[in-house]
Amino acid sequence: SAVISQKPSRDICQRGTSLTIQCQVDSQVTMMFWYRQQPGQSLTLIATANQGSEATYESGFVIDKFPISRPNLTFSTLTVSNMSPEDSSIYLCSVERGGGETQYFGPGTRLLVL
Amino acid sequence: AQSVSQHNHHVILSEAASLELGCNYSYGGTVNLFWYVQYPGQHLQLLLKYFSGDPLVKGIKGFEAEFIKSKFSFNLRKPSVQWSDTAEYFCAVGSGRRALTFGSGTRLQVQP
Repeated sequence: SAVISQKPSRDICQRGTSLTIQCQVDSQVTMMFWYRQQPGQSLTLIATANQGSEATYESGFVIDKFPISRPNLTFSTLTVSNMSPEDSSIYLCSVERGGGETQYFGPGTRLLVL
Repeated sequence: AQSVSQHNHHVILSEAASLELGCNYSYGGTVNLFWYVQYPGQHLQLLLKYFSGDPLVKGIKGFEAEFIKSKFSFNLRKPSVQWSDTAEYFCAVGSGRRALTFGSGTRLQVQP
């Protein structure tokens, strides 16, 4: 498995502001992933973050809105920019470990935008 | 694009009842299959996974799942549920692109 921590665990933000979410892993991993879980819905992949290269975004997600950093093999950040109430979600990071695309998830960051 | 369907959105069972949660996926190639569980107030945890070999896989807490390739299904089962199994269950599929596609989830409520 993997030990993954996220900061902050939750936040309440005002419309138009930005929030940066941090994800820390207990050991080096090649790939990290950022997902969004909107209220009552399943997980949707936002982007895949590899160290040393730009993140790869899924359809419907753009770098200007969700910039991602991956400065080393144990850390990544996701910024939710110019927030609106529709961005209220749980944001999760995950890492692949154990082969076969097995992913382990962080505890999530619960974001409420007013 | 691949998709994952979980047809049971909300299941209510009494303790000791048997459980089967359906999961179907649409993808014609080789897949890796997962069930994740999210207990109330906790983060997503891996319940079990299938890569290859025996299509019947066993996971933690007495759960098992069967991969039926011809039906594109990976149903989750447990012969006797407990109140502590109350949680949301997600089926997920990996198809080699390193990211997972999740189903919509099934909320299981076990009544004592």
